[in-house]
Amino acid sequence: DSGVTQTPKHLITATGQRVTLRCSPRSGDLSVYWYQQSLDQGLQFLIQYYNGEERAKGNILERFSAQQFPDLHSELNLSSLELGDSALYFCASSVGGWTGANVLTFGAGSRLTVL
Amino acid sequence: KNQVEQSPQSLIILEGKNCTLQCNYTVSPFSNLRWYKQDTGRGPVSLTIMTFSENTKSNGRYTATLDADTKQSSLHITASQLSDSASYICVVSEEIGRASGGSYIPTFGRGTSLIVHP
Repeated sequence: DSGVTQTPKHLITATGQRVTLRCSPRSGDLSVYWYQQSLDQGLQFLIQYYNGEERAKGNILERFSAQQFPDLHSELNLSSLELGDSALYFCASSVGGWTGANVLTFGAGSRLTVL
Repeated sequence: KNQVEQSPQSLIILEGKNCTLQCNYTVSPFSNLRWYKQDTGRGPVSLTIMTFSENTKSNGRYTATLDADTKQSSLHITASQLSDSASYICVVSEEIGRASGGSYIPTFGRGTSLIVHP
């Protein structure tokens, strides 16, 4: 157990629907990062939050949004789902908001299947 | 466009043997380079982190090297074990907005799939 908790582990839904993925960071970590890993693809950085504020943005679609709450848990909202959104979504956390030597701790991922 | 290329795509070795995985990158400005191990269906686990000034970092049987001039890194695994079978991912980060508190944007390689046979 890495200390980063993601729910749900698996999710199957239909095109056009909206889902919310949840992440609880490791105790003491202030930053949360979201990544997407499609089949046979590398991890794609989506977005980072630090202590409730957006810190960095990667390849996140406009149909996707995220936020980090005062208790530091984060949610990734995916709307108007398309078949291509099927992927593993990982959350990671770290202590700091930025530093070259930040250690990221990853959760086990949420597998989303869009039918 | 910042890129991270890893080779080989896959590798099969016998237990006890050594192997070296390669990572070439074009990310700039460079902040740090990390190697992760990802078991199938699980989240990546950090093996090593190196900044610009470091050219070697070891973690047990794993040794990572970095040549920032040629923008190349390698991960050497010695005396491989069956549990080393996994995907090894090279991640290079670009530093942004340091003056305003800053963060870094990581670019992930596609990974090298390593299979260790008994």
